[in-house]
Amino acid sequence: DIVMTQTPLSLSVTPGQPASISCTSSQSLLKSNGRTYLSWYLQKPGQTPQLLIYEVSNRFSGVPDRFSGSGSGTDFTLKISRVEAEDVGVYYCMQTTQLPRTFGPGTRVDIK
Amino acid sequence: EVQLLESGGGLVQPGGSLRLSCAASGFTFSSYDMSWVRQAPGKGLEWVSSISASGRSAFYADSVKGRFTFSRDNSKNTLDLQMNSLRGEDTALYYCVSHITAVLDHWGQGTLVTVSS
Repeated sequence: DIVMTQTPLSLSVTPGQPASISCTSSQSLLKSNGRTYLSWYLQKPGQTPQLLIYEVSNRFSGVPDRFSGSGSGTDFTLKISRVEAEDVGVYYCMQTTQLPRTFGPGTRVDIK
Repeated sequence: EVQLLESGGGLVQPGGSLRLSCAASGFTFSSYDMSWVRQAPGKGLEWVSSISASGRSAFYADSVKGRFTFSRDNSKNTLDLQMNSLRGEDTALYYCVSHITAVLDHWGQGTLVTVSS
């Protein structure tokens, strides 16, 4: 199974400041079709998880452009250019390159 | 608008069975793979199972393989997750999730399964 790790596991950010979360996979997520299936999700307090980024860097419909994803192979990053109060919650990376699909442990983001 | 509505959760004794359902609307259901993801209380997300658009192929996490069966009825736009031999560690909120634009893009609100004596 591909193991996903995230750093940091918690993050406290001042509104308006940038934030960054790293995600590392135990194996390359590059599939034979040339695509890399790494996604990012945000679960706001008391809410259902929502897709932010898919295939490393594609923002899902309705996701603000302050969210961006990058990376390749085994190392990936989610960046928030200017954190807003509504961005608090737990961020998960997930790989769907290989079965079983696996999530990272989550990074809890709160506001200072 | 994509809507996914789970049902069937509840309290069940260890070793018991439960059948979860998911009613989908707002998209061409028969064209897309679907999944179940669960979240134990206060814990992270765990992929449980996925099924192909046709329903001919289903895949399972090792933790549920042999105990859970994922099926779909494309004529009714519904999914079923038959859960047998339930254990305490199966206690979780179970989400029905679609793969339309991307894998695991739209999520239902979840249905809670509690396994306890």
